[in-house]
Amino acid sequence: DAKTTQPPSMDCAEGRAANLPCNHSTISGNEYVYWYRQIHSQGPQYIIHGLKNNETNEMASLIITEDRKSSTLILPHATLRDTAVYYCISHTNRDDKIIFGKGTRLHILP
Amino acid sequence: EPEVTQTPSHQVTQMGQEVILRCVPISNHLYFYWYRQILGQKVEFLVSFYNNEISEKSEIFDDQFSVERPDGSNFTLKIRSTKLEDSAMYFCASSGLAKGTDTQYFGPGTRLTVL
Repeated sequence: DAKTTQPPSMDCAEGRAANLPCNHSTISGNEYVYWYRQIHSQGPQYIIHGLKNNETNEMASLIITEDRKSSTLILPHATLRDTAVYYCISHTNRDDKIIFGKGTRLHILP
Repeated sequence: EPEVTQTPSHQVTQMGQEVILRCVPISNHLYFYWYRQILGQKVEFLVSFYNNEISEKSEIFDDQFSVERPDGSNFTLKIRSTKLEDSAMYFCASSGLAKGTDTQYFGPGTRLTVL
């Protein structure tokens, strides 16, 4: 089973920031937090990952709490094309496989 | 930007037939994976492959399944005798250098329909 907890669904108005939370209270010190998304049965798309520090790339920002028990993915200006299922995953350097949970279904409202 | 490609995009087959799903991983990647997603369900890990051998496989990956890297560029998943319950999207993924800490990049998937 996935070791992270996410809300099943969220809505966000187009143009606003989408903030997707994730709880990973049992994360261990060598586990990274990864975010992927899946747009309507397409292949999972990598978004961002981090270990301790906050991270930002051209797609999103990742805010990880100091105790590393939770994180937030931020899409700064959501568009309709950001409608997808977003997966938060904890992943160690000894694991081959990614264990996907059910993710958060994000609806961007026009 | 390099990407993982998969062929065919959709495969329809009769129950009991063999199918081969093909993937071309990102060219300098060393680790290769297959996942599947039954309609409406979670993405599930099937198998990982490194240095020409399986490094991990799930309970789903039974004797009906096999993987191969026949020519240094393709990575294939064979299902020997398909069952109705094999109908799913099959995703190939690859990652680069550092096991686990390097990002897995996924292909667009092959939709397998078993009749």
